[in-house]
Parts: sequence; structure tokens; C-alpha cells
Amino acid sequence: DADVTQTPRNRITKTGKRIMLECSQTKGHDRMYWYRQDPGLGLRLIYYSFDVKDINKGEISDGYSVSRQAQAKFSLSLESAIPNQTALYFCATLDRQGGTDTQYFGPGTRLTVL
Amino acid sequence: DQQVKQNSPSLSVQEGRISILNCDYTNSMFDYFLWYKKYPAEGPTFLISISSIKDKNEDGRFTVFLNKSAKHLSLHIVPSQPGDSAVYFCAASARVGNEKLTFGTGTRLTIIP
Repeated sequence: DADVTQTPRNRITKTGKRIMLECSQTKGHDRMYWYRQDPGLGLRLIYYSFDVKDINKGEISDGYSVSRQAQAKFSLSLESAIPNQTALYFCATLDRQGGTDTQYFGPGTRLTVL
Repeated sequence: DQQVKQNSPSLSVQEGRISILNCDYTNSMFDYFLWYKKYPAEGPTFLISISSIKDKNEDGRFTVFLNKSAKHLSLHIVPSQPGDSAVYFCAASARVGNEKLTFGTGTRLTIIP
């Protein structure tokens, strides 16, 4: 089983709709992240969470919100989707053991907003 | 302002030869650097990392070199294999008080059989 899972894997929606992307992890890591990937722009950080009570904005948080329901679950919401939120979205967890900072990524959700 | 730059969007290398992927950074607070590999329809996977206290880290066919004075790092893959064809992302963090990664834009590596 995958350590970081994302649902759905693909989603097509219309402008103005509310969308939730879900992420679950079995790695037991406290820190979780949401990124979006756009062609030519790499991965950009949307939100991150150090634990259930600690949520932080990343560099492109406008238009998004998150919920950390449990250590294992971190959801990303688009309250009113717009076409320029069409992108590939990745969830990640952070492993800090042994002095390393290694992020483990889910398989991604491809979101299309029409 | 792109703090981590990968200036080559794509690179083609003959199978068996050395692949060299480059990355430049501007933030002098970065002290930990990573390379991730990404196949289509999959999330990025961790490949290799290096701390700023080192100038080289090796793991099998993969070696990362760090030149702090030039704010430059490179990933060497030797020998290159067809399975190495993927997009490679360079990432950096300033670990003290900051656990966020800043990613480059990626380089698509194609290994020619």
C-alpha cells in the first residue's frame, strides 16, 4: 500500500464549485504539505501543517483553505474554483529522522476547472 | 523571484554516458539541498540530498556536488540508463526554523538507447 494517498486522482469541475482534495498518510509524520505544479513553474507550496493545531500559509495560499482532521489526514479545499486553479496538486509528508529533511509525495490529483 | 533555478528545461543523453543536471540558488540561507525524480502520473520521489557542510554526496550511480561559493549544485548520473528518463527537480531549504522546501522548475532528462 502507498504511504501517501490522494483522492480523487482526477477531477473536472466548473467555475464557482467547491472542491475538496484529500490526503492520507500511514507514515506517522507530523508535518504535511500541499503543493501545486504548473508547467514551467515547478512545485509551489500552498499550505503546510506541523501538527493538527498548527496550519501555515505557503507562497500561494489565496483561494485555498485546508483542514488537518488528524495526524494522518490533510485536506485542501477550493471554496470557489476558478480556471487558473487548473493544475496538478501534490500532498507530501516530511521525515526528519536522522537529521534529514525528506518529503514523501502522494501520486497527485489532476484538477481541471472549466 | 525564483530562488532555485534550473536553467535547462530539457537534456538528452546517450545511454551509458554521464548525465549532468544543474541547479543554481540565490538564497544564502539555504543549507540543505535535495534532488527529486518524477515520472509521469506519479508524485516526485526523493533521490539524493546534501547538507551545506559537505561538497559531495554519493549514492550508487548518483552523485550530488555542492559549490557554496558559486551557489550551484549538480547531479551526476553515471552510467545513464533508460529508466533514468524523468523530470528532475532540485529543492532547497533553510533548515533552522524553516522546514519548507523551495523547488526549481525541473529538467526533463531523456536517455537515448
